[in-house]
This record gives sequence, structure tokens and C-alpha cells, in this order.
Amino acid sequence: AQRVTQPEKLLSVFKGAPVELKCNYSYSGSPELFWYVQYSRQRLQLLLRHISRESIKGFTADLNKGETSFHLKKPFAQEEDSAMYYCALSGTPNSGYALNFGKGTSLLVTP
Amino acid sequence: NAGVTQTPKFQVLKTGQSMTLQCAQDMNHEYMSWYRQDPGMGLRLIHYSVGAGITDQGEVPNGYNVSRSTTEDFPLRLLSAAPSQTSVYFCASSRGNSNMNTEAFFGQGTRLTVV
Repeated sequence: AQRVTQPEKLLSVFKGAPVELKCNYSYSGSPELFWYVQYSRQRLQLLLRHISRESIKGFTADLNKGETSFHLKKPFAQEEDSAMYYCALSGTPNSGYALNFGKGTSLLVTP
Repeated sequence: NAGVTQTPKFQVLKTGQSMTLQCAQDMNHEYMSWYRQDPGMGLRLIHYSVGAGITDQGEVPNGYNVSRSTTEDFPLRLLSAAPSQTSVYFCASSRGNSNMNTEAFFGQGTRLTVV
């Protein structure tokens, strides 16, 4: 069965500090993984997808199939990074590519 | 492009009332889905659709109905509202293709309170 685990409900860091939001998954096939971000009371927005291997707003995430992880990292956190972050695993075409979300990590960056 | 549009943004219902949450997308996406967001629970899938006329249940379908008569619209119906359905509801759509470009686009959400 598909499962996404985000072990931290809340992560608080100081501005300029490195940040790592953890995500582990279980999936029997080739996973397609995403990080979505939700700023206060706004809609979810795509932050990163593993297949594009890009860096958005200074964030990167590498898929580690051996450890079944897709951790989100940023070397220097900014106050505007404070938001809710969700790791998500894409379903199959038969399931409408519906996403299986982790429970989310609330990131708070303090000055 | 408007993207994914949900109405209403806010709603208060009394226990036992019914209502429909509207969702429309203008991106010609085949795939649409409904999620509910609850504190500490993340987003959980209610129902999804792989195309017009085809819907199926997700993780938490009880108390909700959907239909997909057109590609653009995917309304969610609450049959008899209960306080446990107090939540924020998000509709999403995605293209999905052979390049595994399955990014989901979300509506702005409907905040529902059942009293």
C-alpha cells in the first residue's frame, strides 16, 4: 500500500539556518513524488517534483530509492518560507493520479 | 487562465442540511479529485474522477457523492451534513500523460462549518 510519512508536525528554525523537512514513502512501483507548499490560508502550490530535479526558491529534494526518502532541503531559511509543507506521492492512472499526502510539516522561520 | 475555481469560499451548515460544493477547471484536464484537509491529518482523498462519466471513491468517501457530467465540472455533494464534516475542502485537477507530468492544480478551498 502507498504511504507517505512526514515525521515532524512542526519545525522551527532561525532565519539563515539550514532546514530539512523529512519525507519517507512506501510504494511498490516507480514513485512520482512532489512537495507542495501552502502559505497561510492559501491554496496548495507545487514546489518541487522529483522528476524535474530543479531548485525552486532555494529548495531542493532528492529521491533516495534505497532509503525511500524524498527530503526537502534549503541551506539558508528565510522568513517567507514559513508555511505548511506537504510531501505527496502520485497515484496510478487508474486512480486518476490522485495524490497520497503526508500529514504535513509546519515550518516556522523566526528572525 | 482561471485554473481551478471552487465556490463557495465559506459555508456554514446546520446538521442534516445538504449542499453542493462546486469545482470547475478550464485547463481541459481529464483527472479531478476532492480532498478534505483537517489539522494533523493532512489531505485525504474523498472521491476522484478519471474523465467525464467516471468517478470512484477515495479514502474517506462516506457522506459524500460526486458526479462528472462534463470535463470541466466536478461537484461534491454533502447528503446530510454532520459536524464531522467540518473541514476545508480542496478540489484539484491534473493532466497526466506519458511523461508522468501529473502535477495537480488546486482550487482555493472551501471552508465548511457544520453546526
